[in-house]
Amino acid sequence: KAGVTQTPRYLIKTRGQQVTLSCSPISGHRSVSWYQQTPGQGLQFLFEYFSETQRNKGNFPGRFSGRQFSNSRSEMNVSTLELGDSALYLCASSLGGLQNYEQYFGPGTRLTVT
Amino acid sequence: QQQVKQSPQSLIVQKGGISIINCAYENTAFDYFPWYQQFPGKGPALLIAIRPDVSEKKEGRFTISFNKSAKQFSLHIMDSQPGDSATYFCAAGPTGTASKLTFGTGTRLQVTL
Repeated sequence: KAGVTQTPRYLIKTRGQQVTLSCSPISGHRSVSWYQQTPGQGLQFLFEYFSETQRNKGNFPGRFSGRQFSNSRSEMNVSTLELGDSALYLCASSLGGLQNYEQYFGPGTRLTVT
Repeated sequence: QQQVKQSPQSLIVQKGGISIINCAYENTAFDYFPWYQQFPGKGPALLIAIRPDVSEKKEGRFTISFNKSAKQFSLHIMDSQPGDSATYFCAAGPTGTASKLTFGTGTRLQVTL
């Protein structure tokens, strides 16, 4: 089975712009979660989508949003980029049932905001 | 109360030795405890996970020990190899919310020859 894929792998944006990141989960997985990884804050949960609905949300401002499509692929959008948004953005997929906790991460998208 | 505290921050172990990484949590709603391994430039890879109904789980050279009363869990890597050199993260997930993991700060492990 193919793993979780994320595109693009690297992105450079300017402060104030917006960005969209994409994630394709493992085939058969219905849940996609997004995490932000920075040297200072570590790995932090952004949100989770399951069956096209946001099921869980972390403590990030509304500039961070996402959506999920009927094929379980997910996108994450960050508007009005700030320098502090520079990070590795990871998505993870899982089967999605509340008893199926195993999450598998993609390679991440490295976002640099200048 | 949502924190997961991980120690040590870095660890150097000789080849063949045992690597031990510890984590502690406060939120009693956590009921799923995975460990992830991350190499530079890669996403975290799930190594092994445990639930509170067992005190130990072993998979190959990796063992999780879990102490529910102390709210602590640890990863033991037996016969550590240079290829194990990576950053290790513990995490915890709350009851009924499968995907909302809270991660520890990571341990950078270096296995020397």
